[in-house]
Amino acid sequence: AQSVSQHNHHVILSEAASLELGCNYSYGGTVNLFWYVQYPGQHLQLLLKYFSGDPLVKGIKGFEAEFIKSKFSFNLRKPSVQWSDTAEYFCAVTPGTSGTYKYIFGTGTRLKVLA
Amino acid sequence: DAGVTQSPTHLIKTRGQQVTLRCSPKSGHDTVSWYQQALGQGPQFIFQYYEEEERQRGNFPDRFSGHQFPNYSSELNVNALLLGDSALYLCASSPIFSGPFYEQYFGPGTRLTVT
Repeated sequence: AQSVSQHNHHVILSEAASLELGCNYSYGGTVNLFWYVQYPGQHLQLLLKYFSGDPLVKGIKGFEAEFIKSKFSFNLRKPSVQWSDTAEYFCAVTPGTSGTYKYIFGTGTRLKVLA
Repeated sequence: DAGVTQSPTHLIKTRGQQVTLRCSPKSGHDTVSWYQQALGQGPQFIFQYYEEEERQRGNFPDRFSGHQFPNYSSELNVNALLLGDSALYLCASSPIFSGPFYEQYFGPGTRLTVT
């Protein structure tokens, strides 16, 4: 069965520290990949997405992610976090072919940034 | 431009009761998906509606049913509520499907508590 693993459940960083959140998926075919963020009290918002092309994807608020097909990974990075990045981050995958439409989400990573 | 809206925001029901949750998609979107997000988990796909029909379903029992109206809005119905149905129910909409390269926009969710 298709699945998404986010290995870091809770991460605590100080402001200006670098961030890398892991995401691995299990699916052998073409995939579309997403990172969503959920700020406290707000709804899920799209940070970035990968469909095809350059495996290094840049998103909003200085976030980027790299798709490494051989490792089935799509890790999220940010060089310098801010207090306002405190949120829960979800990686999601959907097969990149017609006929299936559901997103498969990881369990999320709660990030707390200390001021 | 209004995003995805859901009602009600919060709901408390008793075991065995039935509940109906509502969703209005983002303007220009015709596809609606429903997800269940239990505490500490990522969203789990329930089903997706397109052209007023259920197009794909996740691993949820028949107690979960839905409907899509001609104006693309949607309802999620859950019968014979169990304590385990307590969760945040998310609605997501996406634009007219034109291949696998689509993304979903999420609403704020309805928090259902079953006592």
